[in-house]
Amino acid sequence: KAGVTQTPRYLIKTRGQQVTLSCSPISGHRSVSWYQQTPGQGLQFLFEYFSETQRNKGNFPGRFSGRQFSNSRSEMNVSTLELGDSALYLCASSRAPGMGETQYFGPGTRLLVL
Amino acid sequence: GEDVEQSLFLSVREGDSSVINCTYTDSSSTYLYWYKQEPGAGLQLLTYIFSNMDMKQDQRLTVLLNKKDKHLSLRIADTQTGDSAIYFCAESGSGNTPLVFGKGTRLSVIA
Repeated sequence: KAGVTQTPRYLIKTRGQQVTLSCSPISGHRSVSWYQQTPGQGLQFLFEYFSETQRNKGNFPGRFSGRQFSNSRSEMNVSTLELGDSALYLCASSRAPGMGETQYFGPGTRLLVL
Repeated sequence: GEDVEQSLFLSVREGDSSVINCTYTDSSSTYLYWYKQEPGAGLQLLTYIFSNMDMKQDQRLTVLLNKKDKHLSLRIADTQTGDSAIYFCAESGSGNTPLVFGKGTRLSVIA
């Protein structure tokens, strides 16, 4: 079974631009979560989607948004990029939300904002 | 809010055992996880333990949970150079999916 795939793997943008990242979950998984990883803050939860609905949202500004499609694929968008948005963005999928549903992570998209 | 603490670095000799420790604050944590991250890669799930268990063994990996002290450890037996990576402890509880991660422990294995 194929794992979680994320595209693109690397991205360079400039301040003020916007970016869209994509995540395809493991086949049969309907829940997708996004995390941001930076050297200073570590791994922080961004948001979680299930059945095309956002279930949870982390403490990030409104510039960060996401959505999920009917095939469970998810995208996240960051508008008006800032230097501090440079990070590894990780997507994780699970069969469903809730306790005990193990999350499997993709390889991440490394975003550099200049 | 919830917090997960780990020591940042651990260095061991090849063939020795490694023990990575983690403490957490959320008493309602139900599942506790260990993930491994190699350079330039995402997170690989190593193992997890349910809060009603004290120990779980999976080949070279042993997880010990002391729920009273909110302390979790990961023991890697016969550590190999391929085990060099960052190891993250994470907890999930209170009925919510979002994982709360520690800052990660960088394990260096010396040949």
